[in-house]
Amino acid sequence: NAGVTQTPKFQVLKTGQSMTLQCAQDMNHNSMYWYRQDPGMGLRLIYYSASEGTTDKGEVPNGYNVSRLNKREFSLRLESAAPSQTSVYFCASSDVRRNTEAFFGQGTRLTVV
Amino acid sequence: AQTVTQSQPEMSVQEAETVTLSCTYDTSESNYYLFWYKQPPSRQMILVIRQEAYKQQNATENRFSVNFQKAAKSFSLKISDSQLGDTAMYFCASISYNTDKLIFGTGTRLQVFP
Repeated sequence: NAGVTQTPKFQVLKTGQSMTLQCAQDMNHNSMYWYRQDPGMGLRLIYYSASEGTTDKGEVPNGYNVSRLNKREFSLRLESAAPSQTSVYFCASSDVRRNTEAFFGQGTRLTVV
Repeated sequence: AQTVTQSQPEMSVQEAETVTLSCTYDTSESNYYLFWYKQPPSRQMILVIRQEAYKQQNATENRFSVNFQKAAKSFSLKISDSQLGDTAMYFCASISYNTDKLIFGTGTRLQVFP
């Protein structure tokens, strides 16, 4: 089992460029999440999806959009990148009703210059 | 609102000693889970321990145990017989059974000294 796979691992963008971070899980989990991690700020929830076809805002959704393409895939899009979006991004999946903890991807280090 | 607060940015402990990391949370939900995750320098997120809110008994996993005080909304992690490999960031988290929203605290950086 691959678990949670997110791509790319590293990315440098210029201010104003757009990009999509991809995430896929093979554990048949209902819920998927996108977080950003900044020093001293912990993991802050950007968006989450409790089931296929639904998405909800988290703590810091501004500047981001998401798509739950199917049960396996949950993408995060930056339409016009800003230096404040420089961060490490994590995708995760879980299924609380099956009592499973969240499993995480390896993270994407994004730098916006 | 669902919140998780970790008030200790950094902690240190000597090898073989015991250390306790603090976490408080707030939720309007009656059904939820609490977690402690460990993040070593590799950035990998590793589950340390989980607690179902409906269970009164404190969870334990080998050297790791929690003190779950539901009325006080407190969920501390005790690490016994600390090892050098325990050096990492530790995150407290809560998930709502109803909404599936999973949020984390700001983390505690633990350093274990020989």
